[in-house]
Amino acid sequence: GNSVTQMEGPVTLSEEAFLTINCTYTATGYPSLFWYVQYPGEGLQLLLKATKADDKGSNKGFEATYRKETTSFHLEKGSVQVSDSAVYFCALSPGGSEKLVFGKGTKLTVNP
Amino acid sequence: DGGITQSPKYLFRKEGQNVTLSCEQNLNHDAMYWYRQDPGQGLRLIYYSQIVNDFQKGDIAEGYSVSREKKESFPLTVTSAQKNPTAFYLCASSMFSGVNNEQFFGPGTRLTVL
Repeated sequence: GNSVTQMEGPVTLSEEAFLTINCTYTATGYPSLFWYVQYPGEGLQLLLKATKADDKGSNKGFEATYRKETTSFHLEKGSVQVSDSAVYFCALSPGGSEKLVFGKGTKLTVNP
Repeated sequence: DGGITQSPKYLFRKEGQNVTLSCEQNLNHDAMYWYRQDPGQGLRLIYYSQIVNDFQKGDIAEGYSVSREKKESFPLTVTSAQKNPTAFYLCASSMFSGVNNEQFFGPGTRLTVL
């Protein structure tokens, strides 16, 4: 079946620290991969995506590379800000499917 | 502005009552989705619809019902059969393409059963 596993949170960092949130997946076929972000009390916003192996998605200083050999899509940012505090969800869309499969989310808190 | 609206933002319901959550989109998207979010559990798919007048059950459809009479609208009814309805409900939409499926989300409705 299809599944996504994210590192357990919460994650607490100081401003300007380096961020990594691990995400691994199990999927049939060739999935597309996504990172969504959810700010407190709001819906989800797409942060970045990658649709094939070795693609790198990037947005707002965040990056993630689609690694088929390790079935991973880790989220990274070189220098986090207080405004990055949110819950981050890794997700996949199985090839040819309209549905998304989500990880459980990782809560990030950035302190000044 | 194009987007997805959900109403109300907060909803309170007494046990035994049905309640309907609204979801409207003006993105001209074909597909629409309803998710339930509980703390520490991520998002779980309740129902989805790829075209008007057609919808499919997701992973946790029991106790819920939907309709898709218009492309823009996909209301969710939480029935009295849902044993634990208190949760945050999110609606989403996407183009129906079969690949590269990016979903756009509404702001959510927080339902509390009293």
